[in-house]
Amino acid sequence: EPEVTQTPSHQVTQMGQEVILRCVPISNHLYFYWYRQILGQKVEFLVSFYNNEISEKSEIFDDQFSVERPDGSNFTLKIRSTKLEDSAMYFCASRGLIIGAQYFGPGTRLTVL
Amino acid sequence: AQTVTQSQPEMSVQEAETVTLSCTYDTSESDYYLFWYKQPPSRQMILVIRQEAYKQQNATENRFSVNFQKAAKSFSLKISDSQLGDAAMYFCAYRRGDTGNQFYFGTGTSLTVIP
Repeated sequence: EPEVTQTPSHQVTQMGQEVILRCVPISNHLYFYWYRQILGQKVEFLVSFYNNEISEKSEIFDDQFSVERPDGSNFTLKIRSTKLEDSAMYFCASRGLIIGAQYFGPGTRLTVL
Repeated sequence: AQTVTQSQPEMSVQEAETVTLSCTYDTSESDYYLFWYKQPPSRQMILVIRQEAYKQQNATENRFSVNFQKAAKSFSLKISDSQLGDAAMYFCAYRRGDTGNQFYFGTGTSLTVIP
């Protein structure tokens, strides 16, 4: 069964450093998402991406964040200058049909020191 | 704004018994979708079941079923014949019916299955 994959599974970085989190969505899906989950809290929406552009973003997704689909398979989230409060689990998700559910990747645990 | 409320932070059930997890939501939309996701200790979000708001029939997936009460904006999950592997955090989620939009998640219910 096709699945969303994410790399790395765990990323440790120093405050102020740039990180890129990578995702490979399910191949025939058209909508792509990033969510984050701070430990012990609920999953929060960051951004959705469709047709090579951002379709919606939350207040969390400020100028420090960017997304890109550099080729036909990868979908990346970049945090330009990480802050301590960026430490969280980051989930990528993709969706196919309009009525379809989002399918989540296993997540990348980001730890900012 | 859409909100999703899960009023039970923790629930427990005996193995082989049935448990119901509650979820309510607030929306002014008529076209939307509702989901239950399971998050085991591995923290991957796994789709359990989904319901289209325009369907009156409650969705069922094996041991998992929902009680969708559109007028009451209620979407509860029933797990029958609970198994140890059902132990996880369960999140209720809402999505508007138009394209490409975000999911709104509840705060989750932690389910413990007692052997």
